[in-house]
Amino acid sequence: AQRVTQPEKLLSVFKGAPVELKCNYSYSGSPELFWYVQYSRQRLQLLLRHISRESIKGFTADLNKGETSFHLKKPFAQEEDSAMYYCALTGGGAQKLVFGQGTRLTINP
Amino acid sequence: DAGVIQSPRHEVTEMGQEVTLRCKPISGHNSLFWYRQTMMRGLELLIYFNNNVPIDDSGMPEDRFSAKMPNASFSTLKIQPSEPRDSAVYFCASSLWGGRAEDTQYFGPGTRLTVL
Repeated sequence: AQRVTQPEKLLSVFKGAPVELKCNYSYSGSPELFWYVQYSRQRLQLLLRHISRESIKGFTADLNKGETSFHLKKPFAQEEDSAMYYCALTGGGAQKLVFGQGTRLTINP
Repeated sequence: DAGVIQSPRHEVTEMGQEVTLRCKPISGHNSLFWYRQTMMRGLELLIYFNNNVPIDDSGMPEDRFSAKMPNASFSTLKIQPSEPRDSAVYFCASSLWGGRAEDTQYFGPGTRLTVL
């Protein structure tokens, strides 16, 4: 069964500190992993996907198949990064996004 | 483009009443998804359509829930009869053509449903 686990419901760091939001997944095949973000009073939107290997707003995420993880990282947090972050996966050509429970990130000034 | 449009944004109803949620996908998108978000279960997919055809409804909780997509620009999610446990935020999303890693699902603002 497909499953995404985000162990931290809440994460609070100071501005300028490094940030890491954890995501672990369970999937028997080759998954496609995504990070979605929802800023206050905005829609849920795609932040980045592993297949693109890109950095968005200073965030990166590396797919580690050995550890079945897709942690989201940023070296220096900014206040505007405060938001709800969701890790999600699809697999096997399926179009279903399976979401983790989400992590609420708060950046303190 | 206004993005995915959902209506109503808020709905309060009494147990036993019929509830209809509406969604207009982004023009040109071929796939449409309905999600439900609750504190207990998080975000979960209910059903999705490709070219107006339901592909996977395994997430629909029970027969009280039904979804239709009569044309490429409109979909409804209906709950009849509604129950308090249906209270949640319901999201609609669309993508150009799902199933490819490069496709992005664009979400609507959601409908917050409260069943008393």
